[in-house]
Amino acid sequence: DAKTTQPTSMDCAEGRAANLPCNHSTISGNEYVYWYRQIHSQGPQYIIHGLKNNETNEMASLIITEDRKSSTLILPHATLRDTAVYYCIVKYYGGSQGNLIFGKGTKLSVKP
Amino acid sequence: KAGVTQTPRYLIKTRGQQVTLSCSPISGHRSVSWYQQTPGQGLQFLFEYFSETQRNKGNFPGRFSGRQFSNSRSEMNVSTLELGDSALYLCASSPGDEETQYFGPGTRLLVL
Repeated sequence: DAKTTQPTSMDCAEGRAANLPCNHSTISGNEYVYWYRQIHSQGPQYIIHGLKNNETNEMASLIITEDRKSSTLILPHATLRDTAVYYCIVKYYGGSQGNLIFGKGTKLSVKP
Repeated sequence: KAGVTQTPRYLIKTRGQQVTLSCSPISGHRSVSWYQQTPGQGLQFLFEYFSETQRNKGNFPGRFSGRQFSNSRSEMNVSTLELGDSALYLCASSPGDEETQYFGPGTRLLVL
């Protein structure tokens, strides 16, 4: 089973920041938080991941709370093309435990 | 670098037939994982291959099998197809024990 809890859906106005929350209260010390998104019927796209520090790349920022029990993915200026299902995944680092366990994700709708 | 490629992109089969799907990972990636996505069950892990060895396996019947070649290309086979095998089959590759997986566009299989 997925170790994360996400809202089923969210709306965001185009040009505004989209803040997608994720709860992972049972995360262990050697587990990372990963974010992927899936635009309708395409393969999931990797966005960002982190262990305990906040991370930023060209797509998004990831804010992880100090106790690591929750995180927020931030899309700074959402566009219509950011409409997708966003998956927050907790995953053990490395070794043979290589599979991603997907939950139902958050369907983000960016509206003009 | 070219991304993960999957062939064919679409496939129609009838019950009882078998099917083989192909995945070419990103150049230099040694790990290939397969996932099945259906509307009812979501994204589920099938198996992972690393250096031609199956390293991890999900909870699917033995009708689902796979292999990896020395050039890291991978194939998955489903024998005795059932209607419930209709799904989007996704392949993901990663460099090795480094954990970020990058997905291909998927093969959409329809079983009639």
